[in-house]
Amino acid sequence: EDKVVQSPLSLVVHEGDTVTLNCSYEVTNFRSLLWYKQEKKAPTFLFMLTSSGIEKKSGRLSSILDKKELFSILNITATQTGDSAIYLCAVEATGGFKTIFGAGTRLFVKA
Amino acid sequence: NAGVTQTPKFRVLKTGQSMTLLCAQDMNHEYMYWYRQDPGMGLRLIHYSVGEGTTAKGEVPDGYNVSRLKKQNFLLGLESAAPSQTSVYFCASSQGQLYQPQHFGDGTRLSIL
Repeated sequence: EDKVVQSPLSLVVHEGDTVTLNCSYEVTNFRSLLWYKQEKKAPTFLFMLTSSGIEKKSGRLSSILDKKELFSILNITATQTGDSAIYLCAVEATGGFKTIFGAGTRLFVKA
Repeated sequence: NAGVTQTPKFRVLKTGQSMTLLCAQDMNHEYMYWYRQDPGMGLRLIHYSVGEGTTAKGEVPDGYNVSRLKKQNFLLGLESAAPSQTSVYFCASSQGQLYQPQHFGDGTRLSIL
């Protein structure tokens, strides 16, 4: 059965800390991995990763994919209170429509 | 720039009642989706549509029906609500199936008593 597992489930850090969020997957016919940020309401798109070893970066956030070991990480440097959110990892696959979401990592950044 | 709009935002139903959740997108996207989000389980796909007049079952379709009569609208119906359907429901849309991020609405919080 296809699955996406995120760790840790929750995390509390102080402003300025660097955090690493993990996403591992077992999905047949993998096509891409996506990261979303969910604050109070709608998840919003962060990154899409399709190739191993190529880092995607946006400001203090970066992400990389390892298709051999079947995982991705999302790094946030110099965290701010505005980074507090649930971070969702999703994997797209072919062979019939399929996007599998992980349960998310809840990040809380203390001032 | 509205994006994806869901109505209502909150609703409380009694067991056995019916209701329809509305989703509208103004991005001319072909694909639309309904998910439910429960604690510890992530987003699970209920139904989806690949274009006007088409619908298909997702991972957890039982107890729900959908319709896509117009490209911009995707309706989710509960014919006879059950407490197990208490959840937060998200609608999303995308231009294509693969390599396209999904754009989400703000969600509908539904409680079934």
